[in-house]
Amino acid sequence: EAGVVQSPRYKIIEKKQPVAFWCNPISGHNTLYWYRQNLGQGPELLIRYENEEAVDDSQLPKDRFSAERLKGVDSTLKIQPAELGDSAVYLCASSPRDRGTDTQYFGPGTRLTVL
Amino acid sequence: RKEVEQDPGPFNVPEGATVAFNCTYSNSASQSFFWYRQDCRKEPKLLMSVYSSGNEDGRFTAQLNRASQYISLLIRDSKLSDSATYLCVVGMNYGGSQGNLIFGKGTKLSVKP
Repeated sequence: EAGVVQSPRYKIIEKKQPVAFWCNPISGHNTLYWYRQNLGQGPELLIRYENEEAVDDSQLPKDRFSAERLKGVDSTLKIQPAELGDSAVYLCASSPRDRGTDTQYFGPGTRLTVL
Repeated sequence: RKEVEQDPGPFNVPEGATVAFNCTYSNSASQSFFWYRQDCRKEPKLLMSVYSSGNEDGRFTAQLNRASQYISLLIRDSKLSDSATYLCVVGMNYGGSQGNLIFGKGTKLSVKP
């Protein structure tokens, strides 16, 4: 079974530039998550989707971050404009809605460096 | 107070040693508990769920104390391949559907030959 796919794996941009990350979850997984992980920290949730609906975006900095999951499958996360403090690993995860299981499967992440 | 607190380590142990990690959580309504493992520059992967009755998977034993809001992970007979960061994770269930998971900062383990 293919895992969660993310691209790009690495991205280096200058501050104030836009950047976008893409995620394709495991086939059949209805729930999709975007996390940000700073060095030495655990992942922190940015947004959670149930199918195409964003059910929790309370931690998403909406002034510069946006996300979409138009067809309830793959998703994009965008930052515009990027700031130095946005340098982090952006992780996508998915999970099935199967008897309330909470197991989340993570993609390899996109490592963003903002110069 | 952080929602999930762990000692960041590092724990440096010799092969064959037994090592224990602890974690506390602040939300008494938390309903699901896990340990995830994260190798350097890799994504987190589920190691095991944690149940009130305690559970064991090979060399790994997890315990949950709801009264003290405390979770533990015991690793026996440590292997070099156990070297990683261990993330304590708690979650809320909402009517049987997926809830959000809160991750601790992780405890770094280094097993030496």
